[in-house]
Amino acid sequence: AQSVTQPDIHITVSEGASLELRCNYSYGATPYLFWYVQSPGQGLQLLLKYFSGDTLVQGIKGFEAEFKRSQSSFNLRKPSVHWSDAAEYFCAVDLTGGGNKLTFGTGTQLKVEL
Amino acid sequence: SQTIHQWPATLVQPVGSPLSLECTVEGTSNPNLYWYRQAAGRGLQLLFYSVGIGQISSEVPQNLSASRPQDRQFILSSKKLLLSDSGFYLCAWKRMGDLDTQYFGPGTRLTVL
Repeated sequence: AQSVTQPDIHITVSEGASLELRCNYSYGATPYLFWYVQSPGQGLQLLLKYFSGDTLVQGIKGFEAEFKRSQSSFNLRKPSVHWSDAAEYFCAVDLTGGGNKLTFGTGTQLKVEL
Repeated sequence: SQTIHQWPATLVQPVGSPLSLECTVEGTSNPNLYWYRQAAGRGLQLLFYSVGIGQISSEVPQNLSASRPQDRQFILSSKKLLLSDSGFYLCAWKRMGDLDTQYFGPGTRLTVL
């Protein structure tokens, strides 16, 4: 079955350290890929997206993600984490290409230690 | 600019009671609209989406229904709530026809007791 996996439920990093959040998908073709962030009790905000082209995409708040077709992965990275980055991060894929059916991973909760 | 509103922000309802959650979008026309549910410790699950007035697609069989009485209004309803309906309900919109981003509202926290 087609799915999205975020293998890390919780991650804790120190402020200023680098961050990588993992996302893998199971699908025969290349889907459209997204990363969203959710602060407690809030809606989701788009960080970045990949449709085609350059496999390294830049997003807001200093985040970037790299699409690796051979690994079916779309990992999110940030070189230096700030305390305000503490939130829950969701990877999502559009497997149908029409933009109407996003499949979300179960999320990774990021804690930042000062 | 476009904005999306949801109300109420929080709701506590007894089992068996009806439900009506409302979502409205401003600043755009003919949006695609979506309802998601986020249960504790789980990702978001797409419940319904709509590409136009009166057009509703249901993604999962459940105790809920959706309606779109106006272009920029999307309503999530239930006749009788179950305990399992508790969760965080998110509405989202997307420009029609675009391979583009879904923009999310602030959400409604529903607790069924």
